[in-house]
Amino acid sequence: DAGVTQSPTHLIKTRGQQVTLRCSPKSGHDTVSWYQQALGQGPQFIFQYYEEEERQRGNFPDRFSGHQFPNYSSELNVNALLLGDSALYLCASSLVSLDVGNTEAFFGQGTRLTVV
Amino acid sequence: ILNVEQSPQSLHVQEGDSTNFTCSFPSSNFYALHWYRWETAKSPEALFVMTLNGDEKKKGRISATLNTKEGYSYLYIKGSQPEDSATYLCASPSSNTGKLIFGQGTTLQVKP
Repeated sequence: DAGVTQSPTHLIKTRGQQVTLRCSPKSGHDTVSWYQQALGQGPQFIFQYYEEEERQRGNFPDRFSGHQFPNYSSELNVNALLLGDSALYLCASSLVSLDVGNTEAFFGQGTRLTVV
Repeated sequence: ILNVEQSPQSLHVQEGDSTNFTCSFPSSNFYALHWYRWETAKSPEALFVMTLNGDEKKKGRISATLNTKEGYSYLYIKGSQPEDSATYLCASPSSNTGKLIFGQGTTLQVKP
């Protein structure tokens, strides 16, 4: 059973560019959440997708957008990259029919984005 | 706004030492408390999900307690081993939709 997979593992981009990160959820999961972990901080919630729609959003600017596909995989897009967007981006999957607050989240290994 | 705080930020112990970390969270509107272990270059993995005041959970040498009335949880590691070296994160869901609010983590280094 494949767990949560993310690609790419590392990425270097220039300020002003756009980036797309990808996530495949754990088999059987239908909900994908994205988190940003900056150096020295805990992961910060960006948004969550279910049924191909954004279900919840954290305190991130509109430069951060996402998409969920019919196979439940998801993309995170960041436009007009800033140096401060350099971080580890984590994807977590879950099953919406469960009481997910009381159920562990399954994480990928993350994508390390460096903006230069 | 839900704030989750962890202490200490980092910890260095010798193999065989027992250690503990603290996670504090607002006691109002409590929903659940998650503990994750995150080893370098790996994915965060769940250790415990705790929901009831007074909950105590154990997995091998690791255990956790929960006090929802005063808003804290302790994670204990008995007889630390080098393989316990990792960052330990606690998180509290803001609702039943699974949006997790994380603390900043405690990084444990166990020296052989």
